[in-house]
Amino acid sequence: QQQVRQSPQSLTVWEGGTTVLTCSYEDSTFNYFPWYQQFPGEGPALLISILSVSDKKEDGRFTTFFNKREKKLSLHIIDSQPGDSATYFCAAQSSTGYQNFYFGKGTSLTVIP
Amino acid sequence: EAAVTQSPRNKVAVTGGKVTLSCNQTNNHNNMYWYRQDTGHGLRLIHYSYGAGSTEKGDIPDGYKASRPSQENFSLILELATPSQTSVYFCASGDAGGSQDTQYFGPGTRLLVL
Repeated sequence: QQQVRQSPQSLTVWEGGTTVLTCSYEDSTFNYFPWYQQFPGEGPALLISILSVSDKKEDGRFTTFFNKREKKLSLHIIDSQPGDSATYFCAAQSSTGYQNFYFGKGTSLTVIP
Repeated sequence: EAAVTQSPRNKVAVTGGKVTLSCNQTNNHNNMYWYRQDTGHGLRLIHYSYGAGSTEKGDIPDGYKASRPSQENFSLILELATPSQTSVYFCASGDAGGSQDTQYFGPGTRLLVL
């Protein structure tokens, strides 16, 4: 059973455009939602994260939104750049313990110049 | 300086052979993790550890063992490697601040089992 569902699987946007990635979950004990960015040949790295007590967190061109009622979160990248081309993973962690940590399957983003 | 390192970076093994993947972290984190990454499956947790001497099963532990001899080192062991274990393996260390476990990943080991 997939604990965290992520869409789309892949996405292509033009340079300067806005990228939107989404994730959904079912477990109401999830309260911490990090997004990881992975470049080819490298390990994932934390990009931005949000706690369930917030509905928005911004870091430069990257913003993550959280909707507790709908159990959904999203990552928005404004002014997308070719250097943003990577795979993005959302993740969720349960308040019941750090061993309950789940990744989505990832979205492969390509930004075309 | 890279805080999580893995060795080897690439490995070719034969079916039935023993494979050991090593991970070292200088973050002084208590938690360490082993994942495999396959197309269509994302990152799947194999084993994890809360500290030296501890190992716990993750979501897909079958066919794998883990060893945590020290705070810094965490190994993944394939006693009898099979072609289905061909994958990219990532080690991570965790900064468990309460329930907010930020994980720091190594560069990965690409394993091919023939």
